[in-house]
Amino acid sequence: DAGVIQSPRHEVTEMGQEVTLRCKPISGHNSLFWYRQTMMRGLELLIYFNNNVPIDDSGMPEDRFSAKMPNASFSTLKIQPSEPRDSAVYFCASSLGPTGNTEAFFGQGTRLTVV
Amino acid sequence: GDSVTQMEGPVTLSEEAFLTINCTYTATGYPSLFWYVQYPGEGLQLLLKATKADDKGSNKGFEATYRKETTSFHLEKGSVQVSDSAVYFCALSNFGNEKLTFGTGTRLTIIP
Repeated sequence: DAGVIQSPRHEVTEMGQEVTLRCKPISGHNSLFWYRQTMMRGLELLIYFNNNVPIDDSGMPEDRFSAKMPNASFSTLKIQPSEPRDSAVYFCASSLGPTGNTEAFFGQGTRLTVV
Repeated sequence: GDSVTQMEGPVTLSEEAFLTINCTYTATGYPSLFWYVQYPGEGLQLLLKATKADDKGSNKGFEATYRKETTSFHLEKGSVQVSDSAVYFCALSNFGNEKLTFGTGTRLTIIP
């Protein structure tokens, strides 16, 4: 398997524009996670899905952020409108399922810069 | 809620030195504990894990023992190499709630 695939790897956009980040989880994995990494706040869980259903979105910072998982092989994280403080590296991860001790596999991340 | 407290970095060591990165946690129930490593420009990857008290996780010369009495999961390696330079994250998850709670990360630099 190619692992978790994220696109794009880098995104530079202007403030106010819509940004869409994409993720393809590992085939057969039932859970998908979106994390944000910044120097100030470290790694933060934004949202996670199990069997395509959002389970916990308490980490989504505000209404400008939305995430979808229309099927088992694809998820998006959208920011509209984007702001400079959204600049960060966004990671997608997937795992087999909710047993609490299964490994999460991370993608290489999308580095977002909002100017 | 669950939390992980990790030794602050950065940590700089000479090659072949002994490494310890401290990690303590607060959690209800019986969490599983993990160490993840992040190399420059990459995502996190699992280094080792332990799922119950007194378990020892090990991989690539790294070890960590799940200590319930001290709520700790310290990472150790007897002789570090330049290739071990990376950021190390301690994390936990609770049974039935698979989201990972991460520590702040410790940047490790090994100099030849």
